[in-house]
Amino acid sequence: QSVLTQPPSVSGAPGQRVTLSCTGSSSNIGAGYDVHWYQQLPGTAPKLLIYGNRNRPSGVPDRFSASKSGTSASLAITGLQAEDEADYYCQSYDSSLSGSVFGTGTKVTVL
Amino acid sequence: QVTLKESGPVLVKPTETLTLTCNVSGFSLSSGGVSWIRQPPGKAPEWLAHIFSNDEELYSTSLKSRLTISKDTSKSQVVLSMTNMDPVDTATYYCARLVGLWSYNCFDPWGQGTLVTVSS
Repeated sequence: QSVLTQPPSVSGAPGQRVTLSCTGSSSNIGAGYDVHWYQQLPGTAPKLLIYGNRNRPSGVPDRFSASKSGTSASLAITGLQAEDEADYYCQSYDSSLSGSVFGTGTKVTVL
Repeated sequence: QVTLKESGPVLVKPTETLTLTCNVSGFSLSSGGVSWIRQPPGKAPEWLAHIFSNDEELYSTSLKSRLTISKDTSKSQVVLSMTNMDPVDTATYYCARLVGLWSYNCFDPWGQGTLVTVSS
């Protein structure tokens, strides 16, 4: 059972901006641990999209941006494209569980 | 280029022990750590275990009694064993390199994953 909660689905038309949320608690995001985001295209392994709350690895388009505040984090996709249709997961550390934890995941659909 | 690749049985029977191997390339296990992560069909990933470069092991609290992680640095292999398999353990099992300090870490890259089905 995931301790980070994400909306099950988000959709938008091509070119639009969508925002995905990741809600945690005082033992994970609220405790100051970093939040990371992964993109999982159908049938593939998760790929690191954002690390350290807001940093993009080399090769990730700047259409993807992220932030963290309090016990939550968010990922924004601007200029939505068909290729962005995927599942997105947040990840952090939980001190109560003494391990890495993942969000429940959000499926992004491009209309 | 860092790559990881999982291998192991596709099908295991209930109560059996699962043993998976992760072959890494592009970095040495004497300087980097590897985690195992699983993802049941249609569900979110779940972190299972981690082994550090100094051989320290960490386990998911909920599965600790069933898991053992080990490594052979000379062979660039990390092995995960899970005892007493149950149908609810059916999932794609991934190994991934840990990046950053533990508790602030992310996972990059991930292996391609191996689907393990538990059924009699």
